[in-house]
Amino acid sequence: EDQVTQSPEALRLQEGESSSLNCSYTVSGLRGLFWYRQDPGKGPEFLFTLYSAGEEKEKERLKATLTKKESFLHITAPKPEDSATYLCAVPRRAGTALIFGKGTTLSVSS
Amino acid sequence: SQTIHQWPATLVQPVGSPLSLECTVEGTSNPNLYWYRQAAGRGLQLLFYSVGIGQISSEVPQNLSASRPQDRQFILSSKKLLLSDSGFYLCAWSPTSEAFFGQGTRLTVV
Repeated sequence: EDQVTQSPEALRLQEGESSSLNCSYTVSGLRGLFWYRQDPGKGPEFLFTLYSAGEEKEKERLKATLTKKESFLHITAPKPEDSATYLCAVPRRAGTALIFGKGTTLSVSS
Repeated sequence: SQTIHQWPATLVQPVGSPLSLECTVEGTSNPNLYWYRQAAGRGLQLLFYSVGIGQISSEVPQNLSASRPQDRQFILSSKKLLLSDSGFYLCAWSPTSEAFFGQGTRLTVV
C-alpha cells in the first residue's frame, strides 16, 4: 500500500535553531514528491516539487532534498513566521491524486 | 494566473440537513479537480476526484457525493449530514502533478 510517513509529529525550535523534518514514502515508481505549508484554518500552500534522488530545492530558509526512500525539509535559522504545519505528499501509483503524510507542526519561538 | 475559490469558509449544519459546497477554478481549462477532508490527527483524506465534466471517482464510501457540472466547477453534496461529516473540506486543482488548494470550508455538524 502506498504510504507517506512524516516525523516528528511536532517540533519546537528557538528562533535561529536549525533542524530538519523527515518524510518517508513507500510508493514505487515515484513521480514526484511535494512539500506544502499549512497555516491554521487555511488550505495547504505549495512549496516544492522534487522528482529525482539527489535533487534539492530552496526557498528562503527552507531547503528540500530527496533520496530514494525519503525527503528532508531543512529549516535554517528559522523565524517565528515559519511556524506552521508542513505536509509532504506523493502521487498515487495510478492517476494524479496525492497521498499526504499527517504533517509536522513546527513552532518557532523568539 | 490561476485561482481557486471555495465557499463558504465556515458552515454549521444540523444533523440530517443537506450540504452543498462549491469550488471554482479560474485561469485554466480542463483541470483535474479534487475534494479532500482533513480531520484532526488524520491528515488529508481524498474523497473524490474528477478528470473532466461528469467524470467523478469516489475514494471513500460514505453519504457524500460530488458533481462536476462545468469544466471548472466542482460541487460536494450530501442529502443528510451525519455528525461524523464534521471536518475541514478542501478543494484542489492540478494541472499535471502538483495540486493547488482552496482556502477550505470548516464544517461543523451539530
